[in-house]
Amino acid sequence: QVTLKESGPVLVKPTETLTLTCTVSGFSLSNARMGVSWIRQPPGKALEWLAHIFSNDEKSYSTSLKSRLTISKDTSKSQVVLTMTNMDPVDTATYYCARRWNGMDVWGQGTTVTVSS
Amino acid sequence: DIQMTQSPSSLSASVGDRVTITCRASQSISSYLNWYQQKPGKAPKLLIYAASSLQSGVPSRFSGSGSGTDFTLTISSLQPEDFATYYCQQSYSSFTFGPGTKVDIK
Repeated sequence: QVTLKESGPVLVKPTETLTLTCTVSGFSLSNARMGVSWIRQPPGKALEWLAHIFSNDEKSYSTSLKSRLTISKDTSKSQVVLTMTNMDPVDTATYYCARRWNGMDVWGQGTTVTVSS
Repeated sequence: DIQMTQSPSSLSASVGDRVTITCRASQSISSYLNWYQQKPGKAPKLLIYAASSLQSGVPSRFSGSGSGTDFTLTISSLQPEDFATYYCQQSYSSFTFGPGTKVDIK
C-alpha cells in the first residue's frame, strides 16, 4: 500500500524558515518515472503547486516562489523535505505532498501550517 | 509559465444531471492534463490522467477529453457523492492547477 505522510510545525513566526517532511511508504523514491511534489492550499482557496523532485534528483520549482523554496530527498529514509524561507502570514495553508506517476495519484493527508507572531 | 483557467467557477446541478467542466491552457500542453476531485477537509483525488485515461477505481461516469489547449471533464450522471470541487492540472511544463470548479446541489 502506497502512503505519504507530511510532518512539520503547526505554527511558525513571520520571517522564519519552514521545514516540512514527507515520509513515503510502499514505493521507492528511486523508482523511475516517479517523483514527489509539494502542493499547498490556503484556507478556502485553490491548490497551488510548489515544487517537485524526480527520481533522478532533478528538481522543479514554482516560478513565483522559486527563490524561497528548496526540495530534497533522502532515498534511504524514504523522505522528501521542503524548506520555505521568510515565511509570511499569506503562507498560512494546508501543505500536501503527493506522488507523481500517472498524474498525482497518491496524496498525503496534509499538514496545516499557520504563520503568526 | 503555463496558466490554467476553468469554467464555470461554480455550478448547481441535480442528481442525475450531466455535468461538463471546461479547462483551458494558455499554450498547447498536448494531452498532459489531469483532473482531480476534492471534498472539504480532504486531500484531492486523481480522477483522470493524460486528458482521457480513467484512474483505477474511479467510476466510469467520469470521463475526460481534449488536447492542445482545451479540455473537458464530464460526469454523465451526477451522484450525491460527486458534489465537490474539481481541479484541472497541467504537467507539460512543471505543474499548474486551475482555479477550481465547485459543484453543489441545486
